[in-house]
Amino acid sequence: GESVGLHLPTLSVQEGDNSIINCAYSNSASDYFIWYKQESGKGPQFIIDIRSNMDKRQGQRVTVLLNKTVKHLSLQIAATQPGDSAVYFCAEKREGAQKLVFGQGTRLTINP
Amino acid sequence: EPEVTQTPSHQVTQMGQEVILRCVPISNHLYFYWYRQILGQKVEFLVSFYNNEISEKSEIFDDQFSVERPDGSNFTLKIRSTKLEDSAMYFCASSVGGRGYTFGSGTRLTVV
Repeated sequence: GESVGLHLPTLSVQEGDNSIINCAYSNSASDYFIWYKQESGKGPQFIIDIRSNMDKRQGQRVTVLLNKTVKHLSLQIAATQPGDSAVYFCAEKREGAQKLVFGQGTRLTINP
Repeated sequence: EPEVTQTPSHQVTQMGQEVILRCVPISNHLYFYWYRQILGQKVEFLVSFYNNEISEKSEIFDDQFSVERPDGSNFTLKIRSTKLEDSAMYFCASSVGGRGYTFGSGTRLTVV
């Protein structure tokens, strides 16, 4: 399953399938990007990050892809599990700044 | 795993009252932040704090808001005269420069 930023805020996938969550960021001067997972009533939980000098980074079951040409970021989750159900936010940091600017978020739901 | 700790988890206050939200950032972090999230919306930056002073603030962070680091461990957000629209989740975060952003679990502020 795949989402496209603000136009598809909810993504439903079958358990065991791969999920792809997309994010269009706004600032070409951003040099650092983070994906966060937020479960209901909790704070954003770090998943994976990537710097602008890279285009791909892999973690455990997750991969982040960065396309600076079109200012696009994606999060791939392999073999999606029920525990992956949450809202996923991308966040960007502009070079020289410290604050994070968050995207709108995508709700990922897992069908058994 | 080091954590950012926030208290209280839920605060109910009457409109016009002052509230203080408390945070204990990760001990070796140097940058401290407050963000807020209105129900169902994205996380918004309020203020960043470094070297005992505000380093950046958003337009949301008006004269009704203030931050303080009263000792070596706590970081507080004060809202002087709460309004109904201040109802939100408030997240404290800390970082080591431009990486390692860690969020607390949040304080749910309800203004009645």
